[in-house]
Amino acid sequence: DTEVTQTPKHLVMGMTNKKSLKCEQHMGHRAMYWYKQKAKKPPELMFVYSYEKLSINESVPSRFSPECPNSSLLNLHLHALQPEDSALYLCASSRPSRTGANVLTFGAGSRLTVL
Amino acid sequence: GIQVEQSPPDLILQEGANSTLRCNFSDSVNNLQWFHQNPWGQLINLFYIPSGTKQNGRLSATTVATERYSLLYISSSQTTDSGVYFCAAEANAGNMLTFGGGTRLMVKP
Repeated sequence: DTEVTQTPKHLVMGMTNKKSLKCEQHMGHRAMYWYKQKAKKPPELMFVYSYEKLSINESVPSRFSPECPNSSLLNLHLHALQPEDSALYLCASSRPSRTGANVLTFGAGSRLTVL
Repeated sequence: GIQVEQSPPDLILQEGANSTLRCNFSDSVNNLQWFHQNPWGQLINLFYIPSGTKQNGRLSATTVATERYSLLYISSSQTTDSGVYFCAAEANAGNMLTFGGGTRLMVKP
């Protein structure tokens, strides 16, 4: 069982819908991440939150809106998506190693289909 | 940014065989992780190994930081080992983990 929980596991939405993906961890990690993964490709970083503040936004379109209500929760709000946004969305959290590197733990992912 | 390359891209094994997966990276790293992505998409952390050697059951990994590569060894492979293996590296001066392209492994019974 993963210690990072993502809901829903599957989501189908139309281009005019508004939906949200949710991620929760209770490991005390202070950094949380959203990655996007297309079929047969590696995960690509979208957003990083560090101590509940957005620290990295990898030039993601504004139709994706992240939110970090507290240190355990991370949301990704979706609005006016396009069919090409269909992908597996992965949430991760990280603990610092002794050298300060970010050791990531991933959730099981939310598979999004945009019709 | 750092470049991460994995080889081979695809690998087919008979159950019981051993294999070695390779990850090359272009810069000094303070973070090197190996992940296994199962057919349902779950990314499972196998090793955090910026240098040295670690073993966990049938899996072991070695990172030679001075030569900028890491190896993942799978011994006595099982069908449940099938999936995609990713390495990901974070440069000393960086703040994000960059993934390689993955090695897609199929273990046949």
